[in-house]
Amino acid sequence: DAGITQSPRHKVTETGTPVTLRCHQTENHRYMYWYRQDPGHGLRLIHYSYGVKDTDKGEVSDGYSVSRSKTEDFLLTLESATSSQTSVYFCATKQGGAGNTIYFGEGSWLTVV
Amino acid sequence: AQSVTQLGSHVSVSEGALVLLRCNYSSSVPPYLFWYVQYPNQGLQLLLKYTSAATLVKGINGFEAEFKKSETSFHLTKPSAHMSDAAEYFCAVSQGAQKLVFGQGTRLTINP
Repeated sequence: DAGITQSPRHKVTETGTPVTLRCHQTENHRYMYWYRQDPGHGLRLIHYSYGVKDTDKGEVSDGYSVSRSKTEDFLLTLESATSSQTSVYFCATKQGGAGNTIYFGEGSWLTVV
Repeated sequence: AQSVTQLGSHVSVSEGALVLLRCNYSSSVPPYLFWYVQYPNQGLQLLLKYTSAATLVKGINGFEAEFKKSETSFHLTKPSAHMSDAAEYFCAVSQGAQKLVFGQGTRLTINP
């Protein structure tokens, strides 16, 4: 158990509304990540953070923003949700070093109708 | 840039048979390689990882993987499949110190 909590776990929202997903960790890991998982695409990195207030884009960042005001919290915001953002979102954390393990949360299922 | 290719989006084996899930990587630097497992409606869990120590890596649940530089491969094996091994498996390679790049996943089905 890597001490990662995602909320909400399930959400249905309407097209055009803003949505925020929260990730909270208790391990004091430096790095935090948001991935989305879609059939046939595996996991794709949306954004990641390498410290408080330090974030960078991943491969599928359009339409998403993130914030990290505390070590333990990493927020993912969909500014104006679209049906293409219906997906399962995973938060993950890692301590420093390329060989270190990335630990995953349990996922947040988001449906945009 | 680093990348991984998992050969076969679906693999089906009989209970008790050998499990072989294939992963080939591309990396311009010595890679760190990982296998993760995902059970239905759950997050990903680390099975094993290669970090340039032994080329044969043993993981949880009886799985192991062998790093073969000449073949740029990191295939996952288990001698005898159990029903509980049914899941999706992901191979991943480190991209720098910060990120992992995942393959598209292989869904393993176990037939009784």
